[in-house]
Amino acid sequence: EVQLEQSGAEVKEPGESLKISCKGSGYSFSTHWIAWVRQMPGKGLEYMGIIYPGDSDTRNSPSLQGQVTISADKSTSTAYLQWSSLKASDTAMYYCARIYSGSQADAFDIWGRGTLVTVSS
Amino acid sequence: SSELTQDPAVSVALGQTVRITCQGHSLRIYYASWYQQKPGQAPVLVMYGKNNRPSGIPDRFSGSNSGNTASLTITGAQAEDEADYYCNSRDSNGDHHYVFGTGTKVTVL
Repeated sequence: EVQLEQSGAEVKEPGESLKISCKGSGYSFSTHWIAWVRQMPGKGLEYMGIIYPGDSDTRNSPSLQGQVTISADKSTSTAYLQWSSLKASDTAMYYCARIYSGSQADAFDIWGRGTLVTVSS
Repeated sequence: SSELTQDPAVSVALGQTVRITCQGHSLRIYYASWYQQKPGQAPVLVMYGKNNRPSGIPDRFSGSNSGNTASLTITGAQAEDEADYYCNSRDSNGDHHYVFGTGTKVTVL
C-alpha cells in the first residue's frame, strides 16, 4: 500500500526549534516530488514547497521563503519540515503529499494524515 | 504567485447536481486537480487533469475546463459529499510551484 506516515503532534513554545517528518512506503520515494501543505485553524490549504528526494532539489513557496526548511533523506524515504525559531503564527496542521506528475496534470495523489503543531507560551 | 478563486460556499439538495468553479490565470496553461476535505481528515484527491478520477472516487464526480475556469460537478449529490473542496494547479509564474484555491464549502441539504 502506498502511504505517507507523518510524525505525531507537537506542542512547543515560541522560539523553540522543531523538525517534523513524513515517511513514504509502498512506492519509489526517490522519484516523486513531495509537497508540504499548511492548514491554519479554520482556514484553507496553503502550499509551502516541494522537494525531489532523489537529489534534494527543493522549491520553497515565495510567500514562506526563509521561514521553514524542507529536506529529505532518500535512504530512509523520509521528508522533513523544519523550523529554527517557532512563532505562535506557526500553529497549524501540516500535511505532506506525494505529487503525481502525469501527461495531463500534476496532482497531490497521496496525503499523510497530518501533523498538528501548536506553538504557545 | 498565481491565485485561484472559488466561491466560499454552495448548497445542493440531496440527489441534485452542484458545480464548483475555480478561476485563475494559471488554468489557461495547466489543468486543475480537486481535493475533498471532510472535518478532521486529510484532503483526498477526487479529480485531476482533463477529467480523471482516481480509483475509488464515484463516477458522480466529473471535471471540466474552459478558459481560465475549472469546474468540478457532483451529479446526484449524496450526504457524504458534504465537505470542503479545493482546486489546485501549477503556478503560471514560471517556477515549479503550486497554488491552492480558496476553497468551497459544499452543504448537502
